[in-house]
Amino acid sequence: DADVTQTPRNRITKTGKRIMLECSQTKGHDRMYWYRQDPGLGLRLIYYSFDVKDINKGEISDGYSVSRQAQAKFSLSLESAIPNQTALYFCATAGSGDTGELFFGEGSRLTVL
Amino acid sequence: GQNIDQPTEMTATEGAIVQINCTYQTSGFNGLFWYQQHAGEAPTFLSYNVLDGLEEKGRFSSFLSRSKGYSYLLLKELQMKDSASYLCAVIDSNYQLIWGAGTKLIIKP
Repeated sequence: DADVTQTPRNRITKTGKRIMLECSQTKGHDRMYWYRQDPGLGLRLIYYSFDVKDINKGEISDGYSVSRQAQAKFSLSLESAIPNQTALYFCATAGSGDTGELFFGEGSRLTVL
Repeated sequence: GQNIDQPTEMTATEGAIVQINCTYQTSGFNGLFWYQQHAGEAPTFLSYNVLDGLEEKGRFSSFLSRSKGYSYLLLKELQMKDSASYLCAVIDSNYQLIWGAGTKLIIKP
């Protein structure tokens, strides 16, 4: 089983719908991240969390929200999806005492029609 | 602003050597990563450099020059499975990870 698991892996939805992407990890890492990836662009950070009660905005947080329900779980929500949120979304984790190496989930491909 | 530059695409021949360059301008420096990403898959860790010089790991090597804001990834004895995107990322002074757009490497037989 993967150490970082994302659900769903693929989702097609309509404009205005609420969508939640979930991430769970078995690595025991404190730090969790949500990124989106678009063709021709680098990974862009949406939100990150260093602990259960810690939530921080990344460079493109508008239109997104997150919840860190437990050390192992970090969910990303799109309250009202729009077509330009169509992208590949990655959850990642990192240990607080390490070099900062990220361990990525397999990705969630979201299409907003 | 912070910026990381990599070539968009490179082509190489199976069995050959290829060097993928990365230049960066960031607010501070606390390390540089190279990741490999096959199409539609998650990035996977290749290397980490924090001091100047060459780090070798099998067929892959990564070089860093902090004074020049420059790194390269060297891939030897190229195999078809090395066809992927290679992502350069820098940890800045706030310990935030800044990503390049990636270099798509195409390997031809």
